[in-house]
Amino acid sequence: ETGVTQTPRHLVMGMTNKKSLKCEQHLGHNAMYWYKQSAKKPLELMFVYNFKEQTENNSVPSRFSPECPNSSHLFLHLHTLQPEDSALYLCASSQDSASGGSGANVLTFGAGSRLTVL
Amino acid sequence: QKEVEQNSGPLSVPEGAIASLNCTYSDRVSQSFFWYRQYSGKSPELIMSIYSNGDKEDGRFTAQLNKASQYVSLLIRDSQPSDSATYLCAVNVVNTPLVFGKGTRLSVIA
Repeated sequence: ETGVTQTPRHLVMGMTNKKSLKCEQHLGHNAMYWYKQSAKKPLELMFVYNFKEQTENNSVPSRFSPECPNSSHLFLHLHTLQPEDSALYLCASSQDSASGGSGANVLTFGAGSRLTVL
Repeated sequence: QKEVEQNSGPLSVPEGAIASLNCTYSDRVSQSFFWYRQYSGKSPELIMSIYSNGDKEDGRFTAQLNKASQYVSLLIRDSQPSDSATYLCAVNVVNTPLVFGKGTRLSVIA
């Protein structure tokens, strides 16, 4: 396996369900991200983990709960979601989450998990 | 509030023409600039990065950066129908994650 792998690719859940999205990267990167992509909106950053530590929580509702057990794996636990949470959830990784023109923050995206909340 | 602005399009160009995609950003201290391509139903993929003023060429793609005017553009020469996609501009400042624009949808007409 190479790159960034996300499972499941498609998920349909009711508002009372609990489910999890999984992301795994095989690039040796140290930073991992969750983004939400809705129609006609920019990519919205949700969470950033750098060396397993959460460095960014972009005012995300508590019904989304991230977990990063190691630098290669990232989860997004979902519970009591709303229909407006239906979107494409993209995982990404980078060498690290710093900037400076070094290219270390270049993102590689997974294929995404298409979530539908009924 | 850091913002990245793109014309949402669609931008339609005939096959073989030059497609010009533009992006402006609000944060003057932005350092890194990226163009991602996203086909319908797929995830974004990096096609160009640029860090200093001027032009950077890679095959049919040229990225242009003007930090004084706070804009970055992407030129696609000899446009092909396979270039039809949404192009996302992304910008970041030191120690902060990328901020993305809404994307410009490009349609290359055969």
